[in-house]
Amino acid sequence: DTAVSQTPKYLVTQMGNDKSIKCEQNLGHDTMYWYKQDSKKFLKIMFSYNNKELIINETVPNRFSPKSPDKAHLNLHINSLELGDSAVYFCASSQERGSPQYFGPGTRLLVL
Amino acid sequence: AQSVSQHNHHVILSEAASLELGCNYSYGGTVNLFWYVQYPGQHLQLLLKYFSGDPLVKGIKGFEAEFIKSKFSFNLRKPSVQWSDTAEYFCAVITTGGGNKLTFGTGTQLKVEL
Repeated sequence: DTAVSQTPKYLVTQMGNDKSIKCEQNLGHDTMYWYKQDSKKFLKIMFSYNNKELIINETVPNRFSPKSPDKAHLNLHINSLELGDSAVYFCASSQERGSPQYFGPGTRLLVL
Repeated sequence: AQSVSQHNHHVILSEAASLELGCNYSYGGTVNLFWYVQYPGQHLQLLLKYFSGDPLVKGIKGFEAEFIKSKFSFNLRKPSVQWSDTAEYFCAVITTGGGNKLTFGTGTQLKVEL
């Protein structure tokens, strides 16, 4: 069984559209994250939730809004997509703060 | 704020050569250190981690890393690389004051040639 799963795997859309990426983990972890990997492979954290509570909110445009319906799910909604949003978005989870993070397969977003 | 630097951006080795990838971090307090690997088109996988204790840690696939506190370093090593080790390698750090934020280095692209 996949530990951290994301849907969709690929997302191609037009500028200005709104899209969502879903993430689910079946590891029983308490903390989940969203990372953005740019074209140069640089990874940067965007958000982190612990037991459905937002604990990390990096400097991200407010067009990005995470939602955690329960501790096994962390979704990312993006409004008014821009060309610069094109990247790979990775979801991750960890048992607790400081412990290793396990990553999902990534969602490759391309904004045209 | 903590930062992580990886000195080698691109490394090309022949099979059976030895590997050492540099990683330095800047933070004066307690750190948890990680190396992740990203094979082409795949997600990140944990290679190894250091929390405390023996500064020489062994990970999967024959990789090891040594934590040298005085040098703020956590270099990754493998005695003999294989073609299948071709991937992007990321060093990362979590600090006690960092709110569980995993800060990544810029990555090292390793290419192993037959």
